[in-house]
Amino acid sequence: GQQVMQIPQYQHVQEGEDFTTYCNSSTTLSNIQWYKQRPGGHPVFLIQLVKSGEVKKQKRLTFQFGEAKKNSSLHITATQTTDVGTYFCAAPTGTASKLTFGTGTRLQVTL
Amino acid sequence: NAGVTQTPKFQVLKTGQSMTLQCAQDMNHEYMSWYRQDPGMGLRLIHYSVGAGITDQGEVPNGYNVSRSTTEDFPLRLLSAAPSQTSVYFCASSPGTGRSYGYTFGSGTRLTVV
Repeated sequence: GQQVMQIPQYQHVQEGEDFTTYCNSSTTLSNIQWYKQRPGGHPVFLIQLVKSGEVKKQKRLTFQFGEAKKNSSLHITATQTTDVGTYFCAAPTGTASKLTFGTGTRLQVTL
Repeated sequence: NAGVTQTPKFQVLKTGQSMTLQCAQDMNHEYMSWYRQDPGMGLRLIHYSVGAGITDQGEVPNGYNVSRSTTEDFPLRLLSAAPSQTSVYFCASSPGTGRSYGYTFGSGTRLTVV
């Protein structure tokens, strides 16, 4: 079945450094979603990308959807301690209602 | 709006016991799903539903049953609990159509099977 792979699994940065996580699929995706999960919390929806080559920004977060709609990235500029958590990409598998999550990237930010 | 409400928040079961994890949403969302999250394993889809009366299996359905008699409720039943079902369970819902398919998650049920 379709798999959504994320890299890296873990990244530790100093506050102020940039961070990027990548999501890759073996098949073309209809859309891709990004979620953030704080330690001990539940996943929170951040954004959905639908169009080929789409770029969306939310303050310091920049999301991109690849031209072939098989990959996506989340870039955080100048990380803050509030960015700590695990970032997941997710994509529909077969039907829009069946959402498969990537393996996640855990971000640790220290002062 | 309360969003997605899961009960209980914590549960300890003995092997072989059965129980139902409750999930309710008040956003009139069509899509609802159950995920389990194990350390280092990410979120794995157990069962999902596209509307009242319609359910389907996800990636790891064995040992679990669901039903969707109303739009609001989507309970998950563990038939005979096993230690391998120790996990954090999340229920989530989505509008299903419209501008965004983003899912709203409940706060989770932490289940331990001994």
